[in-house]
Amino acid sequence: NAGVTQTPKFQVLKTGQSMTLQCAQDMNHNSMYWYRQDPGMGLRLIYYSASEGTTDKGEVPNGYNVSRLNKREFSLRLESAAPSQTSVYFCAGETRQGSYEQYFGPGTRLTVT
Amino acid sequence: AQSVTQLGSHVSVSEGALVLLRCNYSSSVPPYLFWYVQYPNQGLQLLLKYTTGATLVKGINGFEAEFKKSETSFHLTKPSAHMSDAAEYFCAVRGGYAGNNRKLIWGLGTSLAVNP
Repeated sequence: NAGVTQTPKFQVLKTGQSMTLQCAQDMNHNSMYWYRQDPGMGLRLIYYSASEGTTDKGEVPNGYNVSRLNKREFSLRLESAAPSQTSVYFCAGETRQGSYEQYFGPGTRLTVT
Repeated sequence: AQSVTQLGSHVSVSEGALVLLRCNYSSSVPPYLFWYVQYPNQGLQLLLKYTTGATLVKGINGFEAEFKKSETSFHLTKPSAHMSDAAEYFCAVRGGYAGNNRKLIWGLGTSLAVNP
């Protein structure tokens, strides 16, 4: 099992460019999450998907969109990147329904210039 | 509303010394509590968790934590620090039962440095 995979690992964008961060899992997670991590601010939830076909906003959704393509894949899109979106992005899946235990991917380090 | 406070954003210990990382929480539902560790340039991984039952829980790498309901605390300890324990540690509590609360509430993290 690959677990939770994220692509790309690193990305540099110019302000206004768009991109999609990909996340895939082979652990049969129902619920999946996108976080951003910034120094001194811990983990902040951007969006989550409780199950296939559903998505909900977290605490910092502005400037992002998500798509739960199927049970395995949960992508995060930046339509018009801004320097404030420079961050490390993590995708996670909930190991068992109702466990609240999350399994994380390795992260994508994004820089917006 | 649920919240998590980690006391001390940076903790430094000597190799072989006791590690104590503090976490206090507030929760309107019976808490599920978690400690995660993040090594440099990696994702987070679960160290240990408390859901129900025994209040002293043991995790990986010799860490343990005790759930104290009266103190609303879930402090992480390790008797003897190792250089490889240097990492960022996050405490988290479940947000609630259903709907938009079905997620984790995170503390801001504590960076642990281990000195030789």
